[in-house]
Amino acid sequence: DTGVSQNPRHKITKRGQNVTFRCDPISEHNRLYWYRQTLGQGPEFLTYFQNEAQLEKSRLLSDRFSAERPKGSFSTLEIQRTEQGDSAMYLCASSFFAASYEQYFGPGTRLTVT
Amino acid sequence: DAKTTQPNSMESNEEEPVHLPCNHSTISGTDYIHWYRQLPSQGPEYVIHGLTSNVNNRMASLAIAEDRKSSTLILHRATLRDAAVYYCILKREETSGSRLTFGEGTQLTVNP
Repeated sequence: DTGVSQNPRHKITKRGQNVTFRCDPISEHNRLYWYRQTLGQGPEFLTYFQNEAQLEKSRLLSDRFSAERPKGSFSTLEIQRTEQGDSAMYLCASSFFAASYEQYFGPGTRLTVT
Repeated sequence: DAKTTQPNSMESNEEEPVHLPCNHSTISGTDYIHWYRQLPSQGPEYVIHGLTSNVNNRMASLAIAEDRKSSTLILHRATLRDAAVYYCILKREETSGSRLTFGEGTQLTVNP
């Protein structure tokens, strides 16, 4: 296993368009997290899955944001009707269940909304 | 989330030890102390974590105060590749599946 992968690495879109990002976690991990990072700030938690169940989504920034993990493997994060303020790095991480385990991050998807 | 306090920046010379401090006076008994670092244009990278006892791994050592209200990440011999933002995070299972709450971290500069 080569770690957490994210695609695409970069996405440029026009305001109002929808975008979807994909995350492939480490295969044995049952938890998957999404974070967002803006310039100069630490990553900000958005949502997480345990297997296919989305157990926390109150931190998603608006109802334009949604995430899925249909078979408990890869996950997608969709942003509808993008706004310039959505420009950021979107990071995915995976881990085993429980606070004692570390999270492994992917390289992120850089979104630019023009 | 329990809060951590770190210096905004620190500087070190190459091949010298670096001690990165973190205060977490409101830590609870079930909080794990995790350290991550982030190099420019990369996702965060796990460094080390502990609960009560000091920990060592190939990357670093973690020294935890007896009252657990502070900890120190120790890089034994800094290299230029260690220049990064270092985050000290308290991780608790009950908090959204043990999500990570990042603060501003410490920007470490390593001088050649």
